[in-house]
Amino acid sequence: KAGVTQTPRYLIKTRGQQVTLSCSPISGHRSVSWYQQTPGQGLQFLFEYFSETQRNKGNFPGRFSGRQFSNSRSEMNVSTLELGDSALYLCASSLKETQYFGPGTRLLVL
Amino acid sequence: SQKIEQNSEALNIQEGKTATLTCNYTNYSPAYLQWYRQDPGRGPVFLLLIRENEKEKRKERLKVTFDTTLKQSLFHITASQPADSATYLCALAFRAGNNRKLIWGLGTSLAVNP
Repeated sequence: KAGVTQTPRYLIKTRGQQVTLSCSPISGHRSVSWYQQTPGQGLQFLFEYFSETQRNKGNFPGRFSGRQFSNSRSEMNVSTLELGDSALYLCASSLKETQYFGPGTRLLVL
Repeated sequence: SQKIEQNSEALNIQEGKTATLTCNYTNYSPAYLQWYRQDPGRGPVFLLLIRENEKEKRKERLKVTFDTTLKQSLFHITASQPADSATYLCALAFRAGNNRKLIWGLGTSLAVNP
């Protein structure tokens, strides 16, 4: 089976802009989680979607949002970008407890 | 406060030795704990899962222990190789009301020297 894919891999934006990141889970996986990873904070949970419904949400401001489509593909959106949003954004799909991560999208906000 | 901590400093060991990484947590009701490996520029890769009622799990050269009294998990790599050099993350799944949540450690960087 193909692994989790994320697009784009790299992105440069400026403050105030918005960005949409995409994630395609492993075929058959209905759960998709999003994480933000920075050197100082580690992996921070953003949200989890299951069958097109948000099942869990982390402690991020409302500028961070997501959705899941009927084919389990997921997108996350960050509006009004801030410098502190620069990070590696990881998507993970799961069947049970094990999470399978994509390669991530490296976002740089200037 | 609730938190999960891993060895804060990087670990350097000689090839062939056993690497031992630590994951400590406080004030959680654990369901299970996982260990992942992350290489630079890549997403974490699952290694092992150990449940609250299990003491030890093994997979090839890897061994994980889980002591819910000490609130600690130890991750061992025996006969370490340079290819084992990576960052290792622990993730604790805990019960929060009717939900189950996952919290991650910051990771420990392991360097195995030839």
